Amino acid sequence: EPEVTQTPSHQVTQMGQEVILRCVPISNHLYFYWYRQILGQKVEFLVSFYNNEISEKSEIFDDQFSVERPDGSNFTLKIRSTKLEDSAMYFCASSQGRHAYEQYFGPGTRLTVT
Amino acid sequence: GENVEQHPSTLSVQEGDSAVIKCTYSDSASNYFPWYKQELGKGPQLIIDIRSNVGEKKDQRIAVTLNKTAKHFSLHITETQPEDSAVYFCAATTSGGYQKVTFGIGTKLQVIP
Repeated sequence: EPEVTQTPSHQVTQMGQEVILRCVPISNHLYFYWYRQILGQKVEFLVSFYNNEISEKSEIFDDQFSVERPDGSNFTLKIRSTKLEDSAMYFCASSQGRHAYEQYFGPGTRLTVT
Repeated sequence: GENVEQHPSTLSVQEGDSAVIKCTYSDSASNYFPWYKQELGKGPQLIIDIRSNVGEKKDQRIAVTLNKTAKHFSLHITETQPEDSAVYFCAATTSGGYQKVTFGIGTKLQVIP
């Protein structure tokens, strides 16, 4: 069964450093999403991406964040200058259509900012 | 925006017993309610869902109920098995636009053999 993959599984970085989290969505999917879950808190929507542009973003997704689909297969989340509060599990998801029931989630990348 | 509350945060049951997880939502415009199961090392996976025009839905040992008036919905797992042990998330979303999912905090279910 096709699945969404994410790399790395765990990333440790120092405050102020840039990080790029990578996702490989399911190959025929057109809609892409990032969510995050801070330890002990809810999974929160960050951003959705379709047709090479952001379709919706949350208040969390400020200028420090950016997304890109650089080569038609990867979908990346960049955090320009990490803060301690960016420490969280980041989930990528993809879907063929725009409906929530079509979203498939990756296993997540645990980001630790020290 | 939508807010989804979920309880309990942890739940331990004996194998064979039933487990119930309850959620409430705030936005009356929400009309689609998925439930996800997250096993260790994996992302959330959709296990069952219910739409606002339906009060109950069942799939083998799992069932979901929805009370739109009270804005709450529940997941019921009967005859629990050790492989049901996981974190379960309830969620809500609205149709139209790009459907971001609003999650509850999750319930860690442990089924004791």
